[in-house]
Amino acid sequence: GAVVSQHPSWVICKSGTSVKIECRSLDFQATTMFWYRQFPKQSLMLMATSNEGSKATYEQGVEKDKFLINHASLTLSTLTVTSAHPEDSSFYICSATGLHYEQYFGPGTRLTVT
Amino acid sequence: AQSVTQLDSHVSVSEGTPVLLRCNYSSSYSPSLFWYVQHPNKGLQLLLKYTSAATLVKGINGFEAEFKKSETSFHLTKPSAHMSDAAEYFCVARRGKLVFGAGTILRVKS
Repeated sequence: GAVVSQHPSWVICKSGTSVKIECRSLDFQATTMFWYRQFPKQSLMLMATSNEGSKATYEQGVEKDKFLINHASLTLSTLTVTSAHPEDSSFYICSATGLHYEQYFGPGTRLTVT
Repeated sequence: AQSVTQLDSHVSVSEGTPVLLRCNYSSSYSPSLFWYVQHPNKGLQLLLKYTSAATLVKGINGFEAEFKKSETSFHLTKPSAHMSDAAEYFCVARRGKLVFGAGTILRVKS
């Protein structure tokens, strides 16, 4: 089946620094990828929709200048958390849309900002 | 607006007993519906999906769900729980974007 990977799986960074998270579709091309955020014991919250070759579409309340998304190719989307703060600590999950519009989820990246 | 309601935040069953995780959706039209499972610190795995074909959908690991339009429900069931089923389960609707329920944590007691 379709596989989506994320790198890194976990990262610890200092407040004020930037962190980049990669999302790759390993055996299929994904014109659309999604980025979600999940707080402890809560459901997934869609942050943005990433389309290859165009600007990402952000959900209401998500700061586009803080969460930079780049979808450079049909198999790679990146999320950069700029000037990270402790409140940005969360579990970030990406998903990619497959051939039949199913979404395949990555394993997630746990970000801890100290 | 479309919403998904998972009626139980926590469900606890004994190993070998049936599992029922309840989900209701709110929509003016039948959406595509999914159940995903998430183990701790892992991504989501698709258990099954409903896309307006058969109303009884069979998924992986012995799970199945029945779409009932009259009740706007899509409950997830399994005849016999296994310890490895302990995880969080999300009912999800799609109409363009995915809309997630709040999740149900399933605990399986030995």
